Amino acid sequence: DIVMTQSPDSLAVSLGERATINCKSSQSVFYSSNYGNYLAWYQQKPGQPPKLLIYWASSRKSGVPTRFSGSGSGADFTLTISSLQAEDVAIYYCQQYYTTPLTFGQGTKVEIK
Amino acid sequence: EVQLVESGGGLVQPGGSLRLSCVASEFTFSDYWMHWVRQAPGKGLVWVSRINSDGSNTSYADSVKGRFTISRDNAKNTLYLQMNSLRADDTAIYYCARDDLPGDAGNWFGPWGRGSQVTVSS
Repeated sequence: DIVMTQSPDSLAVSLGERATINCKSSQSVFYSSNYGNYLAWYQQKPGQPPKLLIYWASSRKSGVPTRFSGSGSGADFTLTISSLQAEDVAIYYCQQYYTTPLTFGQGTKVEIK
Repeated sequence: EVQLVESGGGLVQPGGSLRLSCVASEFTFSDYWMHWVRQAPGKGLVWVSRINSDGSNTSYADSVKGRFTISRDNAKNTLYLQMNSLRADDTAIYYCARDDLPGDAGNWFGPWGRGSQVTVSS
């Protein structure tokens, strides 16, 4: 199984400041035949189901604010919130869809400092 | 707007069975792979199972293999999860989720339902 490890487990950021979440996979999730990194990011607010933010490691889902961006390749990935807003308080998960079992990181809780 | 509505959860004793349903609307259900994902209280997301668009191909997490069965009825726009031999560690919210894109290969999760609570306890 591909193990996804996020860091940190939680972070507190001031409003308007940058938040950075890292995600490492235990093996590469890059598929050379289509140059695709099989990595997605989700946001989950309390009492709600997860919401897709990013797919193919860096493609933003339509409707997601541009302050959310994804980067990285192979086995190391980053989700960046460029200017944290109050509504961004949530838990963020990375997920690989390279192979089954599909696996998630343990989650990173983002709070306001 | 795409909708996924789960039902069938509840309280069941260890060793018991439940069948979850997920009714889909506002999209062509038969075009999409579908999944079940669960979340234990205060814990993270765990993928449980997926099924391809015509129901001919299924996959399971090791923790549920042999106990859970995923299926679908495309005529009824409904996804199912038959859960047998339930254990306390199966206690979770069970979400139905759809692949974001239609097609013949799985991809990332798009829309999710609001979930159905399953509690396994004596």
